Amino acid sequence: DVKVTQSSRYLVKRTGEKVFLECVQDMDHENMFWYRQDPGLGLRLIYFSYDVKMKEKGDIPEGYSVSREKKERFSLILESASTNQTSMYLCASRDPVTGSPLHFGNGTRLTVT
Amino acid sequence: RKEVEQDPGPFNVPEGATVAFNCTYSNSASQSFFWYRQDCRKEPKLLMSVYSSGNEDGRFTAQLNRASQYISLLIRDSKLSDSATYLCVVNGREGQGGKLIFGQGTELSVKP
Repeated sequence: DVKVTQSSRYLVKRTGEKVFLECVQDMDHENMFWYRQDPGLGLRLIYFSYDVKMKEKGDIPEGYSVSREKKERFSLILESASTNQTSMYLCASRDPVTGSPLHFGNGTRLTVT
Repeated sequence: RKEVEQDPGPFNVPEGATVAFNCTYSNSASQSFFWYRQDCRKEPKLLMSVYSSGNEDGRFTAQLNRASQYISLLIRDSKLSDSATYLCVVNGREGQGGKLIFGQGTELSVKP
């Protein structure tokens, strides 16, 4: 069974802090994704990566960056956290070759004060 | 036009009812289709993939209509535990690799 693990379930940070959200998957999936989910707005793609060191902007990349140095790990970085980045962050992975569905981590609920 | 659009909901139905959700997509070249279920404050979980010929899993039936570019989910004999948000997911435009596009979700509330 695919396991996607996000490092924190709940996180509280101050405005201006640099924030790292970590995600690890154990199925050797090439594709990894970071979404945020807000009430009334659904899931919105921030960034995705289709291979090590490869990344592509999603729909709302502003204020975020990502890092994928190893295949199993995909990090989301908030360079200078702001209150409008308070949200639920979801990491997911997928094998694009087989057309498999997305497998999600259990989410990180980030509050920026 | 949004790439993936769903019935806005919410759907409020009594136990035992049959309920259907539709989802339209804009990319005629899409090949992968899924329905996810999301409970409050939890991550989305795969409910079922949608295959060209349609497929069934117990009380749940998924259909794909390529000509009209929509997928549907039918839930028969609704249970209280079916209350959740149902998300339609379609793969993105060619060149976007494995990117999947989510609909906004349809909220279902099953009442006793």
